[in-house]
Amino acid sequence: EAQVTQNPRYLITVTGKKLTVTCSQNMNHEYMSWYRQDPGLGLRQIYYSMNVEVTDKGDVPEGYKVSRKEKRNFPLILESPSPNQTSLYFCASSFWGARENTFGSGTRLTVV
Amino acid sequence: AQSVTQLDSQVPVFEEAPVELRCNYSSSVSVYLFWYVQYPNQGLQLLLKYLSGSTLVKGINGFEAEFNKSQTSFHLRKPSVHISDTAEYFCAVSETDSSYKLIFGSGTRLLVRP
Repeated sequence: EAQVTQNPRYLITVTGKKLTVTCSQNMNHEYMSWYRQDPGLGLRQIYYSMNVEVTDKGDVPEGYKVSRKEKRNFPLILESPSPNQTSLYFCASSFWGARENTFGSGTRLTVV
Repeated sequence: AQSVTQLDSQVPVFEEAPVELRCNYSSSVSVYLFWYVQYPNQGLQLLLKYLSGSTLVKGINGFEAEFNKSQTSFHLRKPSVHISDTAEYFCAVSETDSSYKLIFGSGTRLLVRP
């Protein structure tokens, strides 16, 4: 089944403890991105990647890092999480030129 | 800069009634337009999209939307809703000449009552 898989689905952590949210897609998509969803704000893009080793900032990149060492994986790294990063995170992927994004099921992160 | 406005944060409607969810956008360049649906505890699923051609777009689950360039709108409609349509609906745009970033509206929660 074609899908974007995120792990974990739920995560509670403490301020300052580094964490990684994984994202993997099995559709050979070139384009991958991360969004955060907050009530009343919709989804906002954090980072995106157009292909292996090519990443760039989205609209809200502060406090996040990403890497794209393999085409299928696009992990989101929070080096020192803070409570304002408590949110619902989505990974998405797309073929270059297709404009249709497939979204993962989301990761609900709580930073206390 | 692009922006997307969904003025209705929540729309209550009775089962089998028609519904319209409103979406207006602002952009200085041509855009592609999308509607996504999010069921509880799930990711986003594409309902329909407008890339070019006919301004009336039909999607899954009986939904349709009409692109109105002069009014910069892309309203979503369904002639008869079901309980199972209860979900959050997001309108999104993507500029045709830029990265593949989607700019989302704040979402509209459709609440279908029996």
